[in-house]
Amino acid sequence: QVQLVESGGGVVQPGRSLRLSCEASGLTLSRYSMHWVRLAPGKGLEWVAVISHDGRNEYYADSVKGRFTISRDNAKNTLYLQMNNLGLEDAAVYYCARDPVENYFDYWGQGTLVTVSP
Amino acid sequence: DIQMTQSPSSLSASVGDRVTITCRASQSIGTSLNWYQQKPGKAPKLLIYVVSSLQSGVPSRFRGSGSGTEFSLTISSLQPEDIATYYCQQSYSTPIYTFGQGTKVEIK
Repeated sequence: QVQLVESGGGVVQPGRSLRLSCEASGLTLSRYSMHWVRLAPGKGLEWVAVISHDGRNEYYADSVKGRFTISRDNAKNTLYLQMNNLGLEDAAVYYCARDPVENYFDYWGQGTLVTVSP
Repeated sequence: DIQMTQSPSSLSASVGDRVTITCRASQSIGTSLNWYQQKPGKAPKLLIYVVSSLQSGVPSRFRGSGSGTEFSLTISSLQPEDIATYYCQQSYSTPIYTFGQGTKVEIK
């Protein structure tokens, strides 16, 4: 069955970097656009970034633009999110999600927790 | 940017009640509206896509409607397992999406 498994979360100091991974099984990642979405404590879901199926196009939420980079390695069936210059406001559970027809998210990972603490 | 506003932010209802959540877009988004359910500690789950299409495995008590700027999610008979936060999401500006702020549903 389809599985998306995130990893790479942890505790990091403000200003530091972290790279999240999302490994897919049961599906060929190269066929789909993939997204990162986050849920901060006490907040609602926030869309973070998207990458096209071939990796040629990327888009970011204004809140992370210039600091986060989404990428993919289709040969490894893995999606990444490089997060630089992390701030307290970036603390959240980060989910990767599949976008099968560029319209909605039908499969989500279980999430990986990022804590930003001095 | 397209803003999505849900109401109410939270609600409390009894088992068996009919529950309706409203989602309003800041501009017309046609039928590019999806609904998700998220239970505490779990990943979001797609309930309804393109306004009213039920995702496979979702109970028929969930129903979506609307178009343009006004949309709604209705649970015809609230069940204990429906306790969750519900989010609308617009895909009109694909591939850049926006979520509503969420509606927390509790049992009275």
